Amino acid sequence: QSALTQPPSVSGSPGQSVTISCTGTSSDVGYYDRVSWYQQPPGSVPKLIISDVSKRPSGVPDRFSGSKSANTASLTISGLQAEDEADYYCCSYTTSVTWVFGGGTKVTVL
Amino acid sequence: QVQLQESGPGLVKASETLSLTCDVSGYSISSGYYWGWIWQPPGKGLEWIGSIYYTGSTFYNPSFKSRVTISVDTSKNQFSLKLNSVTAADTAVYYCVRIRGPFYFDFWGQGTLVTVSS
Repeated sequence: QSALTQPPSVSGSPGQSVTISCTGTSSDVGYYDRVSWYQQPPGSVPKLIISDVSKRPSGVPDRFSGSKSANTASLTISGLQAEDEADYYCCSYTTSVTWVFGGGTKVTVL
Repeated sequence: QVQLQESGPGLVKASETLSLTCDVSGYSISSGYYWGWIWQPPGKGLEWIGSIYYTGSTFYNPSFKSRVTISVDTSKNQFSLKLNSVTAADTAVYYCVRIRGPFYFDFWGQGTLVTVSS
């Protein structure tokens, strides 16, 4: 299975918004509304921040939002803060009963 | 609170079998959910290795399928990973996870670094 496609890096100034795209196929992102996003600060364990395309688990700030159109999902961080600097990974459930991750996107707060 | 903890050798010789166990606390595996393993080679991204349902049904990443076995022991509330014929490319941090839905990974272990030596 091929990894989902994410941009290697995005950056923004504090207070700005950044959007990370995650492109898959009609067998994963495009088939199910089962895309999740994970935040991994340097040296830390990944943390679930979005499930089922756009649902935020309890405790995740509403600055984080998710969406999907066709085979591409997106994560938007609004009002960027220094603590948001981390690697972000998308993941999708697939029609083969497998899970596939994106390559990861490094978010830099300028 | 659900907690997962990986355990196993931090150093494995090339061509041998990597074996890890994940101890689950705060939740009974036999109550349901899928459980899985994810790896992260140094400086690289996350990749799903495989998953198991509490009944023992397994699902594997095709990239690992011929070398990997995941099993569950509900009496010990733990599940395990075995990866055969390891090479230096299998050096990674290995995470055990709970899979909710079963579509997303809601609880993660702290991760354990396994180094394959030649």
